[in-house]
Amino acid sequence: RKEVEQDPGPFNVPEGATVAFNCTYSNSASQSFFWYRQDCRKEPKLLMSVYSSGNEDGRFTAQLNRASQYISLLIRDSKLSDSATYLCVGLYGQNFVFGPGTRLSVLP
Amino acid sequence: DAGITQSPRHKVTETGTPVTLRCHQTENHRYMYWYRQDPGHGLRLIHYSYGVKDTDKGEVSDGYSVSRSKTEDFLLTLESATSSQTSVYFCAISRQLAGGGNEQFFGPGTRLTVL
Repeated sequence: RKEVEQDPGPFNVPEGATVAFNCTYSNSASQSFFWYRQDCRKEPKLLMSVYSSGNEDGRFTAQLNRASQYISLLIRDSKLSDSATYLCVGLYGQNFVFGPGTRLSVLP
Repeated sequence: DAGITQSPRHKVTETGTPVTLRCHQTENHRYMYWYRQDPGHGLRLIHYSYGVKDTDKGEVSDGYSVSRSKTEDFLLTLESATSSQTSVYFCAISRQLAGGGNEQFFGPGTRLTVL
């Protein structure tokens, strides 16, 4: 079983929709979690860190539930430019463990 | 932008040849990483470094070696390339945050094809 798991998708949603991604992790020793965005044939880029209290950045909201060992990312009012693969990441010591990613396509 | 460059950006080579990929950073970060990314597997850690001459293996280190003789450069070597090493290779650094914790930033990647 992989340490960080995600639904691979693809999620195909219309513009303006709200979409939610979930990620589960098996090792409770992780200190921190993150969401990265990766465009086709590009490097992953940090979208946001995830805090236990939840955090919001514009249309993006991230939540961490340590009791249930899952992380979520909510995207509101989705834009065509949100189309990408979203990677869930856990930090264990100095090692970052990546989930396989969830592909999102926002359709006009 | 964390000032990370990778070279070459694309390379085609033949089975059995040695290949060295270079990662260069300009911000003096202590931790550097090499990953490979393949369809269906996501990003997998090959090796990482926690200082000059200090390196350790990752999840998929077989067939790879690394060296870090200067803080700014982290080299990944395939001693004898195989077709299974055809992949996209990403270098990354870990940046410590003022409030504690770390975040990771990536270079643009090297697309390697082994024929």
